[in-house]
Amino acid sequence: QVQLVQSGAEVKKPGASVKVSCKASGYSFNTYGISWVRQAPGQGLEWMGWISVYNGDTNYAQKFQGRLTMTTETSTTTAYMELRSLRADDTAIYYCAICEGVDHWGQGSLVTVSS
Amino acid sequence: EIVLTQSPVTLSLSPGERATLSCRATQSVDTYLAWYQQKPGQAPRLLIYDASNRATGIPARFSGSGSGTDFTLTISSLEPEDFAVYYCQQRINWPIFTFGPGTKVDIK
Repeated sequence: QVQLVQSGAEVKKPGASVKVSCKASGYSFNTYGISWVRQAPGQGLEWMGWISVYNGDTNYAQKFQGRLTMTTETSTTTAYMELRSLRADDTAIYYCAICEGVDHWGQGSLVTVSS
Repeated sequence: EIVLTQSPVTLSLSPGERATLSCRATQSVDTYLAWYQQKPGQAPRLLIYDASNRATGIPARFSGSGSGTDFTLTISSLEPEDFAVYYCQQRINWPIFTFGPGTKVDIK
């Protein structure tokens, strides 16, 4: 069965970077793109961007342009989301997801930004 | 940019009652609209895609309708496990998605 397993919780200082991983299994990795969605404490869902595993094309939400990078590593079937210049309001649970006909989500990775 | 609004913000109902949730888009999304359910501490779960199609394993008490800019999620008879937050999501600009702000269905 399709599984997306994410890396653990992180605590970062303002201005730092965070890189969250998403290990995929149970399907051919380049079949689906990977979306990233975040959820601040007590808030709704926010789409951050998408990466094609097939050719590496990316599409980022405007508000993250310039400080967000999504990558994939086919040898390990892992997707990565790196967010730079972290601020307190980047504190959130970050999810990787497949939303392409099939729908599967990782368990989420809590990123806390605090001085 | 397509913006989704959801109403009401909170819906207080009793088990067995019917729930009607609304989602409105600022421009037409045709039928490229999905509904998700999220419970505390869990990832979102897809309920409905393409406005009216139930995802795999979703009970028949969940139904979706609408097209263009106005959509409805109906839960015909609330079960205890249905008390959660529900989000709509537009997919017309795939792979760019946007979500609505959510409707919380809580126990009256």
